[in-house]
Amino acid sequence: DIVMTQSPDSLAVSLGERATINCKSSQSVFYSSNNKNYLVWYQQKPGQPPKLLVYWASTRESGVPDRFSGSGSGTDFTLTISSLQAEDVAVYYCQQYFSTPLTFGGGTKVEIK
Amino acid sequence: EVQLVESGGGLVQPGGSLRLSCAASGFSFSNYWMHWFRQRPGKGLLWVSRIKNDGSIVTYADSVKGRFTISRDNAKNTLYLQMNSLRAEDTAVYYCARLFWGDYFEATWGQGTLVTVSS
Repeated sequence: DIVMTQSPDSLAVSLGERATINCKSSQSVFYSSNNKNYLVWYQQKPGQPPKLLVYWASTRESGVPDRFSGSGSGTDFTLTISSLQAEDVAVYYCQQYFSTPLTFGGGTKVEIK
Repeated sequence: EVQLVESGGGLVQPGGSLRLSCAASGFSFSNYWMHWFRQRPGKGLLWVSRIKNDGSIVTYADSVKGRFTISRDNAKNTLYLQMNSLRAEDTAVYYCARLFWGDYFEATWGQGTLVTVSS
């Protein structure tokens, strides 16, 4: 199984400041035949299902504000919120879909400082 | 509008059984692999099982293998999860989801249904 490790577990950021979340996979999720990283980022608010933010590690889902961006390749990935807004308070998860079982990072709780 | 609606959750005693349903609408259900995920209270997300669009391939997480059975009825646009020999650690919100990846990625999740295993 591919183990996904997120850091930090939580972070508090001032409104308008940058938030950076890291995700590391125990093996590469890059598929060379199509040059894609099989990694997504989700946002989850209390009582709601996960909401897709980024797929293929760096492609923003339609309708997601451009302050959210994903980067990285192979085993190391980052989700960046460039200017934190109040509505971004949530838990963020990375997930790999390179192989079954699909696996998630433990989540990063983002709060306002 | 693509929609997934889970039902069937509730309180069950340890060792008991429960069947979850997920009603799909707004898309061609028979064309998609479908998944079940779960989330224990206050914890992270865990993939449980998946089934191919025609039902010919099913896969399970080790933690539920031999106890849970995923199935689907494409005529009824419904996904199921039969859960047997339930344990306290199976207590969670269960989500069904449509995940598709090809040239693009699609993720549609239901709102979830709570399963509580307790005496």
